Amino acid sequence: EIQLVESGGGLVQPGRSLRLSCTGSGFPFGDFAMNWVRQAPGKGLEWVGFIRSEASGGTTEYAASFKGRFSISRDDSKSIVFLQMNDLKSEDTALYFCTREKVYYDLLGSYYYFDIWGQGALVTVSS
Amino acid sequence: DIQMTQSPSSLSASIGDRVTITCRASQSIDNFLNWYQQEPGKAPKLLIYGASNLGSGVPLRFVGSGSGTTFTLTITSLQSEDFASYFCQQSSITPQTFGQGTKLELK
Repeated sequence: EIQLVESGGGLVQPGRSLRLSCTGSGFPFGDFAMNWVRQAPGKGLEWVGFIRSEASGGTTEYAASFKGRFSISRDDSKSIVFLQMNDLKSEDTALYFCTREKVYYDLLGSYYYFDIWGQGALVTVSS
Repeated sequence: DIQMTQSPSSLSASIGDRVTITCRASQSIDNFLNWYQQEPGKAPKLLIYGASNLGSGVPLRFVGSGSGTTFTLTITSLQSEDFASYFCQQSSITPQTFGQGTKLELK
């Protein structure tokens, strides 16, 4: 079965750091770009960033509001992608999902979409 | 960043109804548009990619259309399991951005 499982969430004080992990199984993890998406309580979805596959350079991209505070890395030998979150703020309280990025090609271009999602890791930032 | 605006924000409908949700982009995104369904307390699930391509295992009653700046998701005959929230997402330009969501409720 193809699945993603997040771990590492919890209660953390403002200004502290937390690292989330996402472990994949049932597919060749290293072949895929991996993304993080978050959802604040009762709110919509917000893209955090992603890391390309090693074959595509293993580089990362982030939404502007997370640059410098959040970083994404991966360990393909263990099929894990990480989200390192520093200087956490109360507004970072959210459910954090990791997602697998799939690409579909046709004559018009390359279409990227998230075909597999983890169940989410809840991060609560509060004193 | 490209802004994605969904309408309506909420919608009440009955089993068997045909419903349409609209998603508008602040600039042209060709057909780089995806739709997701999210049931309460669960992770989102892919419905449509590339504006009109059905995701794996998604029922044929879900139909996506549109290009440029205006897109629609139509559910041709509502089933009980379709009462959920729906989000559009543009994948044309980084950062990928989502619409604010449409909550579909039972009338």
